[in-house]
Amino acid sequence: GPKVLQIPSHQIIDMGQMVTLNCDPVSNHLYFYWYKQILGQQMEFLVNFYNGKVMEKSKLFKDQFSVERPDGSYFTLKIQPTALEDSAVYFCASSLGLGGLEQYFGPGTRLTVL
Amino acid sequence: GDSVTQTEGPVTLSEGTSLTVNCSYETKQYPTLFWYVQYPGEGPQLLFKVPKANEKGSNRGFEATYNKEATSFHLQKASVQESDSAVYYCALSDPQTGFASALTFGSGTKVIPCLP
Repeated sequence: GPKVLQIPSHQIIDMGQMVTLNCDPVSNHLYFYWYKQILGQQMEFLVNFYNGKVMEKSKLFKDQFSVERPDGSYFTLKIQPTALEDSAVYFCASSLGLGGLEQYFGPGTRLTVL
Repeated sequence: GDSVTQTEGPVTLSEGTSLTVNCSYETKQYPTLFWYVQYPGEGPQLLFKVPKANEKGSNRGFEATYNKEATSFHLQKASVQESDSAVYYCALSDPQTGFASALTFGSGTKVIPCLP
């Protein structure tokens, strides 16, 4: 089936540094998402993105977070500066549309902030 | 806000026996309900979804009925196999009271089939 790729699979950085998580969504999909899962906790919605803009964001999507997808390239989540509480697995997802259509998830990037 | 509560794992059971993973939800409206499955090293993938109350979803021998009155969506399989070893997530989408597209997930239930 369709695949979402995420790069890197693991990232370790020092607190205060910037990090960029990359996602290669399904090629014809139009909606893109980031979810965050802290170890042992539920996966939680961060943000979704459509037509070059953030559509919706949760309270977890702090001011230090930003997303973009320059034409034909990765959908990225940037955190600047990072904090200890940003340590988690970040899942990217994409979908063809809204209204309960299937979201396809990547394998996740495990981010560790020291 | 919306919430999803599911069976705490891990659930270890013998191959060939029946599996039930409980899922209960809280929303103000009537959401679309999903079961996702996550295999090691992969992201969650849709097992099936049910948009309407009192309907049943099924795939690969798994099934669940959207019970509006009990606000439940329990996952069942009659005969679990080693290949079913995975983490199962119950989730919902509730555009009426939440985001148009965001999924609200349960905490996941790890299922571990073992040789009888």
